[in-house]
Amino acid sequence: QQQVKQSPQSLIVQKGGISIINCAYENTAFDYFPWYQQFPGKGPALLIAIRPDVSEKKEGRFTISFNKSAKQFSLHIMDSQPGDSATYFCAASGYALNFGKGTSLLVTP
Amino acid sequence: DAGVIQSPRHEVTEMGQEVTLRCKPISGHDYLFWYRQTMMRGLELLIYFNNNVPIDDSGMPEDRFSAKMPNASFSTLKIQPSEPRDSAVYFCASSLIGPLNNEQFFGPGTRLTVL
Repeated sequence: QQQVKQSPQSLIVQKGGISIINCAYENTAFDYFPWYQQFPGKGPALLIAIRPDVSEKKEGRFTISFNKSAKQFSLHIMDSQPGDSATYFCAASGYALNFGKGTSLLVTP
Repeated sequence: DAGVIQSPRHEVTEMGQEVTLRCKPISGHDYLFWYRQTMMRGLELLIYFNNNVPIDDSGMPEDRFSAKMPNASFSTLKIQPSEPRDSAVYFCASSLIGPLNNEQFFGPGTRLTVL
């Protein structure tokens, strides 16, 4: 049973554009919502995370928007760059992370 | 710190053989997680430990899979006997979980191919 649903599966964005990835979760007990970034041949690495007491968190070009009532959260990448091309995973947890299935992002020059 | 260390990085074996994957977590971390990544199923949590004690192994797919953590600096994931459908990338991650931090640090993974 997939506890976190992620969309889209893949995304192509032009350089300078905005990349948006969406996730939805089921378990209202989850209290930590990270986004991980994974490059080919590497393990996932934490990009940005949010807790449900705030609706938005911004770090540089990366922003998480969180809607607790809808049980949804999203990652926005502003001014997308070719170096952002990677697979992005959302997750939700208490202690153990429940990952979405990932979004493969390609930023074209 | 060297980060989470996994070995081997690549393993090719034949069906029926025993496979042992190894992980050294980041020093001082008290949680250790084993994940499996495939194209079809994404990242799946297999098992996690807290202070060397297995807490949740509900993600372990079958009795062929077993994991141990004999001390704070070492864990193994064993598959015996291995099958072609076990082919995947296996990640180990560690964490020091507190009220303000749940970040997990992933190792580079072991790519397992079972022929």
